[in-house]
Amino acid sequence: DQQVKQNSPSLSVQEGRISILNCDYTNSMFDYFLWYKKYPAEGPTFLISISSIKDKNEDGRFTVFLNKSAKHLSLHIVPSQPGDSAVYFCAARGYGGSQGNLIFGKGTKLSVKP
Amino acid sequence: DSGVTQTPKHLITATGQRVTLRCSPRSGDLSVYWYQQSLDQGLQFLIQYYNGEERAKGNILERFSAQQFPDLHSELNLSSLELGDSALYFCASSPRDRGPEETQYFGPGTRLLVL
Repeated sequence: DQQVKQNSPSLSVQEGRISILNCDYTNSMFDYFLWYKKYPAEGPTFLISISSIKDKNEDGRFTVFLNKSAKHLSLHIVPSQPGDSAVYFCAARGYGGSQGNLIFGKGTKLSVKP
Repeated sequence: DSGVTQTPKHLITATGQRVTLRCSPRSGDLSVYWYQQSLDQGLQFLIQYYNGEERAKGNILERFSAQQFPDLHSELNLSSLELGDSALYFCASSPRDRGPEETQYFGPGTRLLVL
């Protein structure tokens, strides 16, 4: 059963507009959430993270929002640029016996059109 | 560049064979994690080592094993390879075991193709 879900496999946005990528999770024990960006033939690159004690974290054009009651987080990219075109993965940090491992969603492919 | 290095970049081998993937973590990082990404699955956690000791295990097959050496580099050994083992294998590292807001940084991956 998927504990971290990214329900949109793809998203297309015009350059300069806002990109909103969504992620849902099922386990209320997750305590740390991360977003990674991945280009083909490269490893995931860390973008931004948020602790479960916060509801927002901002870094330049990237903002992550966490809604714990809804078990939902989102990544906002403003303004979107063509270089942002990549696959974006949401990840949640495991707990208990799984210690520090990350549980990933299946990714959303973002295309930013000039 | 994350600072995590992995070798080789590509590996082609036959069923039944054994291969070793190597990972060097970022300078100063004590934890190393291995993940597998196959076509129909997302990134799946395999195993974590912290300062030479195994710390956590995920969906790692018994045919697979790993270790972390005193210089903190890690190797993932895959044996009796099957066609379904073809995947991207990523290594990640982080400074500690489970510090608050501990971020994992990923290497470029090894693409394994089993024929």
